[in-house]
Amino acid sequence: EDQVTQSPEALRLQEGESSSLNCSYTVSGLRGLFWYRQDPGKGPEFLFTLYSAGEEKEKERLKATLTKKESFLHITAPKPEDSATYLCAVQAYSGYALNFGKGTSLLVTP
Amino acid sequence: SAVISQKPSRDICQRGTSLTIQCQVDSQVTMMFWYRQQPGQSLTLIATANQGSEATYESGFVIDKFPISRPNLTFSTLTVSNMSPEDSSIYLCSVASLTGSGNTIYFGEGSWLTVV
Repeated sequence: EDQVTQSPEALRLQEGESSSLNCSYTVSGLRGLFWYRQDPGKGPEFLFTLYSAGEEKEKERLKATLTKKESFLHITAPKPEDSATYLCAVQAYSGYALNFGKGTSLLVTP
Repeated sequence: SAVISQKPSRDICQRGTSLTIQCQVDSQVTMMFWYRQQPGQSLTLIATANQGSEATYESGFVIDKFPISRPNLTFSTLTVSNMSPEDSSIYLCSVASLTGSGNTIYFGEGSWLTVV
């Protein structure tokens, strides 16, 4: 059975303090690994799709990387507006639906 | 990217009633999904909405409780039937956008239901 585990559950950073969020996964054939940002009361906002080990993608202060067992979301010099819950999800070859982790709640303080 | 509109965005429902959520996409999409997000939890897939045929439900979800329609490639509805307080959740419509270089899964803003 596919499993996605995110750590830490919650993270508090000072503005400018870089860090990484972890997503460990097991899946019967990975089609894609997805990262989303979710603000309270809103739907998930798409950030990245990664398809194979070694792949990296960047968007502003965010960089996502992928290995055969885990993915990292690196946040460089975060700002308070980066505060949100970050969700990781895997998509297996058997379909296109996503299996989500429980998320990491990030708080960036000034 | 696909723009997804959901209605209602928020509602308070009486126990025992049913509510239908609408999902409209601004372009034709092959795949549409419905997810549930219970308070403080992550997203759980309810079903895949199939155009012109019965939806495919995940374990723990049944058609009598969550009937789904998908009459065309841009529209779907999810009904939450005979609601109880345990059905208080955000219900999210999602679509898969496929291109030659990969696929992206987009979500609507969600429908936040509170059952009293």
